[in-house]
Amino acid sequence: DIQMTQSPSSLSASVGDRVTITCRASQPISYYLNWFHQKPGKAPKFLIHSASSLQSGVPSRFSGSGSGTEFTLTITGLQPEDFATYYCQQSYSPPYTFGQGTKLEIK
Amino acid sequence: QVQLVQSGSELKKPGASVKVSCEASGYTFTAYPMIWVRQAPGRGLEWMGWINTNTGKPTYAQAFRGRFVFSLDTSVSTAYLQISSLEADDTATYYCAKDLAGGGGWPDYWGQGTLVTVSS
Repeated sequence: DIQMTQSPSSLSASVGDRVTITCRASQPISYYLNWFHQKPGKAPKFLIHSASSLQSGVPSRFSGSGSGTEFTLTITGLQPEDFATYYCQQSYSPPYTFGQGTKLEIK
Repeated sequence: QVQLVQSGSELKKPGASVKVSCEASGYTFTAYPMIWVRQAPGRGLEWMGWINTNTGKPTYAQAFRGRFVFSLDTSVSTAYLQISSLEADDTATYYCAKDLAGGGGWPDYWGQGTLVTVSS
């Protein structure tokens, strides 16, 4: 199975900040990488697919990049509703494993 | 708009079975596969597998072969997850999700989740 490792596991930031979350795959996965965020007690929300393609309706302050084994999610200009746990997921080879999550908290 | 509505929370004893439903609306049910994802309390997301809503063929991650069964009733646009011989470690929230692109790897719309608690 492909292992997905996110860093950091948690981070604190303020409204308006720019933050970056990294996701590394244990083997090359081309651009087959999705990003989600999840708020407590809610279902995950699909943000980005294919490493950099924003899902319809997702604000443009979210962006993704990377290919191969290293990927990043950047949020430019954090908003209060962005504080959540973020997950990456590889969609290259089943089982389509998720990273362990990055908890983004308000500073 | 796309909606996936799951059945309510369940409390079961070890050894029992449970069946979780996921009713889809707002799109052609048989055009997009359905994915299942598990989340244990306080833990991350675990991909369980997916079912082809056109053919009914399920695909399971290794950890979910045996006691877990995906099924469909296309007449009511509903997918099901049945878990038999429940164990305490099955306590989790189970999510269904519509697959954006086929093959089980692109969960774009999610149900609200169904909490299954296994306790004696």
